[in-house]
Amino acid sequence: SQQGEEDPQALSIQEGENATMNCSYKTSINNLQWYRQNSGRGLVHLILIRSNEREKHSGRLRVTLDTSKKSSSLLITASRAADTASYFCATAGTSYGKLTFGQGTILTVHP
Amino acid sequence: GAVVSQHPSRVICKSGTSVKIECRSLDFQATTMFWYRQFPKQSLMLMATSNEGSKATYEQGVEKDKFLINHASLTLSTLTVTSAHPEDSSFYICSARPNRAGVTDTQYFGPGTRLTVL
Repeated sequence: SQQGEEDPQALSIQEGENATMNCSYKTSINNLQWYRQNSGRGLVHLILIRSNEREKHSGRLRVTLDTSKKSSSLLITASRAADTASYFCATAGTSYGKLTFGQGTILTVHP
Repeated sequence: GAVVSQHPSRVICKSGTSVKIECRSLDFQATTMFWYRQFPKQSLMLMATSNEGSKATYEQGVEKDKFLINHASLTLSTLTVTSAHPEDSSFYICSARPNRAGVTDTQYFGPGTRLTVL
């Protein structure tokens, strides 16, 4: 079953702007991961944040995790047209566990 | 490193035939692989967990006799869609979790296989 709910479902911005996507989940987690999927392609792992972490950075990406609210956000700064893709959050109940994906956010960055 | 391949990338078949999809970890060993299905404009749904040397674990609602999984080695898992029907048309994606110490909570995804059943 799908645990994660993401919002917005679609986001359209101009190049250079920041993009923020949110993910909420229902049960306790070991870690939460963000993935990117270009149209019709496989998934690219972006970042993993563990349940005892609150914030993580990787290049232009910033992820926050609030376990009390069971929510996470992905911020992409200074967006580029090449960032256009679908973004999914996925939760793992244990370190070795299977992933449960959210519904995804379709991001369109206009040049 | 950590590359996962899938073959074929695209397959079109007639209703009633069986289709085999391969998932290979190219530069690492994976005791555990996962198979997902993704319908257009939807998210990934986990179908089953494939374990090397043992039976796969299927998610609720997934027919194990229709979606046969064989994890024959530490680098290869196969998904066979038996007696495929148009409603089985979908994008099938596998992922593999490396056996390497310290990298146990990251999965690497294959590029996916687009199945179209006529």
